Amino acid sequence: KQEVTQIPAALSVPEGENLVLNCSFTDSAIYNLQWFRQDPGKGLTSLLLIQSSQREQTSGRLNASLDKSSGRSTLYIAASQPGDSATYLCAHGTYKYIFGTGTRLKVLA
Amino acid sequence: GAVVSQHPSRVICKSGTSVKIECRSLDFQATTMFWYRQFPKQSLMLMATSNEGSKATYEQGVEKDKFLINHASLTLSTLTVTSAHPEDSSFYICSASDLGRGEATQYFGPGTRLLVL
Repeated sequence: KQEVTQIPAALSVPEGENLVLNCSFTDSAIYNLQWFRQDPGKGLTSLLLIQSSQREQTSGRLNASLDKSSGRSTLYIAASQPGDSATYLCAHGTYKYIFGTGTRLKVLA
Repeated sequence: GAVVSQHPSRVICKSGTSVKIECRSLDFQATTMFWYRQFPKQSLMLMATSNEGSKATYEQGVEKDKFLINHASLTLSTLTVTSAHPEDSSFYICSASDLGRGEATQYFGPGTRLLVL
């Protein structure tokens, strides 16, 4: 059974810090890896999609990388802001997505 | 980007009643739609996959007679929770893909929060 694990489960940092969220998956087959943001009580906002043939994607202060050989993806957030506070989910798959358990991020002003 | 809507956004119902949730792709044709459930402080769990014009494929442990899915058109899928009970209270999220164009990207709706009293 494929599993997706996210570490850490929760993270609290002061504003301005650069931080890294980790996502690991047991099935290293060629799949897409997508990072989402979820605010409390809300749906998902897609942040970055790394297709199976890609190694990384960047959008503004966000950078996501994918290493299929090790079954890992990282989401790098530069110069964190209080508005970045949310739960970050990674999902792995091509036709059906398997979601990680999420990292709850709190950026302190 | 592609937009997916859900209706209603929030619903409260009495135990034993049925609730229908709609998922619509607003600006693209969704050959495939997915339904997920999220319990408090847990991640999303896939319930079922539906393709337009065919029966839905349910994940292990999901009762197909309780969670009826109808993907009647390329822009609409509905999830009906039949005879809802308090344990069905959850956050239900749909996503849509246009696999016909070879795109595996899933676009997610805003979710529907169901509370069964």
